Amino acid sequence: NAGVTQTPKFRILKIGQSMTLQCTQDMNHNYMYWYRQDPGMGLKLIYYSVGAGITDKGEVPNGYNVSRSTTEDFPLRLELAAPSQTSVYFCASSPPGQGFHSNQPQHFGDGTRLSIL
Amino acid sequence: RKEVEQDPGPFNVPEGATVAFNCTYSNSASQSFFWYRQDCRKEPKLLMSVYSSGNEDGRFTAQLNRASQYISLLIRDSKLSDSATYLCVVYTGGFKTIFGAGTRLFVKA
Repeated sequence: NAGVTQTPKFRILKIGQSMTLQCTQDMNHNYMYWYRQDPGMGLKLIYYSVGAGITDKGEVPNGYNVSRSTTEDFPLRLELAAPSQTSVYFCASSPPGQGFHSNQPQHFGDGTRLSIL
Repeated sequence: RKEVEQDPGPFNVPEGATVAFNCTYSNSASQSFFWYRQDCRKEPKLLMSVYSSGNEDGRFTAQLNRASQYISLLIRDSKLSDSATYLCVVYTGGFKTIFGAGTRLFVKA
């Protein structure tokens, strides 16, 4: 019963490097999300997706890109890593809510801790 | 004003105590409300949804006050295992879900 799986769990990058954070879910959820959580702060939405081939920006999308080629996978790409992107990244998924809304509880992966030096 | 505000705590309580947290939200059109629990360096996990009529799940009771725009979480008979950060989560419509920064709870023997 895997739920939402994120890899890697930890990573250290140098400034300017690129990497992809992987996220996969096996619950057949249409909606998927990427958040970042900085110390003492609430989660901030980076990008979200309502289904394969459909993605949209959240509150803090700058410096990131996403793709959604399948229902299961929602990778997050950092192109030119900057120290401000040091954070814990959580991927989440949820079933669709009423109409075209995301008012259902979200299920989270266990996070990727990323440090950029 | 933040869209969702919580007292960061920490709340330090002895085992067996009753403790309550409040969370205020600014958008009067907010539609759905949740409490999540987050253990240190772990992912958030849904604790309970908050319904207009209030709801209870074992030792946990959640209430919604739309007139004053706050939700509350009451924990009775606190256990050591209740030590965690409790996140107030407010869904305001579309794809906008706002997570509070959390209230830290320490339950001591």
